[in-house]
Amino acid sequence: KNEVEQSPQNLTAQEGEFITINCSYSVGISALHWLQQHPGGGIVSLFMLSSGKKKHGRLIATINIQEKHSSLHITASHPRDSAVYICAVYTGGNQFYFGTGTSLTVIP
Amino acid sequence: ETGVTQTPRHLVMGMTNKKSLKCEQHLGHNAMYWYKQSAKKPLELMFVYSLEERVENNSVPSRFSPECPNSSHLFLHLHTLQPEDSALYLCASSQDRGQGYTFGSGTRLTVV
Repeated sequence: KNEVEQSPQNLTAQEGEFITINCSYSVGISALHWLQQHPGGGIVSLFMLSSGKKKHGRLIATINIQEKHSSLHITASHPRDSAVYICAVYTGGNQFYFGTGTSLTVIP
Repeated sequence: ETGVTQTPRHLVMGMTNKKSLKCEQHLGHNAMYWYKQSAKKPLELMFVYSLEERVENNSVPSRFSPECPNSSHLFLHLHTLQPEDSALYLCASSQDRGQGYTFGSGTRLTVV
């Protein structure tokens, strides 16, 4: 069993829809990262959070440390949001655990 | 462009070949990393260099050999690879471990 579980694995949405991607983890963490990977392979770090909520443009990330759960929300989704979204937790030292990713496709 | 540049973008090599992957960052970061991403699997950390010293080697086979000649450059030397080594190899850097990662675009490696 992976230390980081994401759901759903695949998600298709119509342009404009509100999207939620979930991440649950089973280890104690120092921080949680949300990453975005486009089809070409490059990865962009979207958020790093250790408590509460962060917002950047149409993206919102929340974390509940007690429940060991984080969500990534995308408001007013757009086809350019189509990518794989990866949840990663940092436990200290050099230890990162990664989810397998959620593949999002936004249809015009 | 993220600030972390990887070359080549694509590489096809035979099992007896020797090749090298290159990663370069000019972000002033102190730590650099090699990750392997296989289909349908989570990212796997391979090596970590902090201030040019290797601080982590996650049980990676010896056919993968990293080199960090200075804080801006990281190499992954490959020799006698196996087909199951085919994957996307990602380089990343950070100012401090666990903080503010920047990833490169990756090298898509195919071993034939």
